[in-house]
Amino acid sequence: KAGVTQTPRYLIKTRGQQVTLSCSPISGHRSVSWYQQTPGQGLQFLFEYFSETQRNKGNFPGRFSGRQFSNSRSEMNVSTLELGDSALYLCASSLATVLDEQYFGPGTRLTVT
Amino acid sequence: AQSVTQPDIHITVSEGASLELRCNYSYGATPYLFWYVQSPGQGLQLLLKYFSGDTLVQGIKGFEAEFKRSQSSFNLRKPSVHWSDAAEYFCAVGATNDYKLSFGAGTTVTVRA
Repeated sequence: KAGVTQTPRYLIKTRGQQVTLSCSPISGHRSVSWYQQTPGQGLQFLFEYFSETQRNKGNFPGRFSGRQFSNSRSEMNVSTLELGDSALYLCASSLATVLDEQYFGPGTRLTVT
Repeated sequence: AQSVTQPDIHITVSEGASLELRCNYSYGATPYLFWYVQSPGQGLQLLLKYFSGDTLVQGIKGFEAEFKRSQSSFNLRKPSVHWSDAAEYFCAVGATNDYKLSFGAGTTVTVRA
């Protein structure tokens, strides 16, 4: 079956702009999680969605938001971009919770200039 | 709050030699513990996970991990390393009804011929 897909794969934005990243989970998976990966901070949890509801959110400012649609596809949005938002953003899907096996997408590499 | 420590940032091992990666966790209740691997240019893949039962867990690619409650550790091992095992390895901890995973900083494994 098809894996987790993320679009776009690469993105360059300017400080102050906003960006929307998309994630399509594996068919049948209802839990979608987002992570930010940077060399300095490692893998940090952003948020998790299930049935269009956010069940948990990591320690990130309100500029980071997300949503999930009825088909389990998810988007995350970052407003008022800062240089420090440059990172690899990973999406993962699983059947029901993060405690199930999570399948990760290839990530979106965001560069903020 | 749950946390994960991977004391070794980088390990170099000869092909055919054994490998052990350390992971220590901090969590009040019984945690779910995971090891994920991230190969260059690829997404994260689950190697194994533990919640209860036998404290020695077998995973994919010949890896195993041992849960030691008294030491709050969940170390990953492989008896004989292959060049394809060169990657970054992440230990993660989660809990029921928490809907998030906390990842360690990762250990990069280099395999020399």
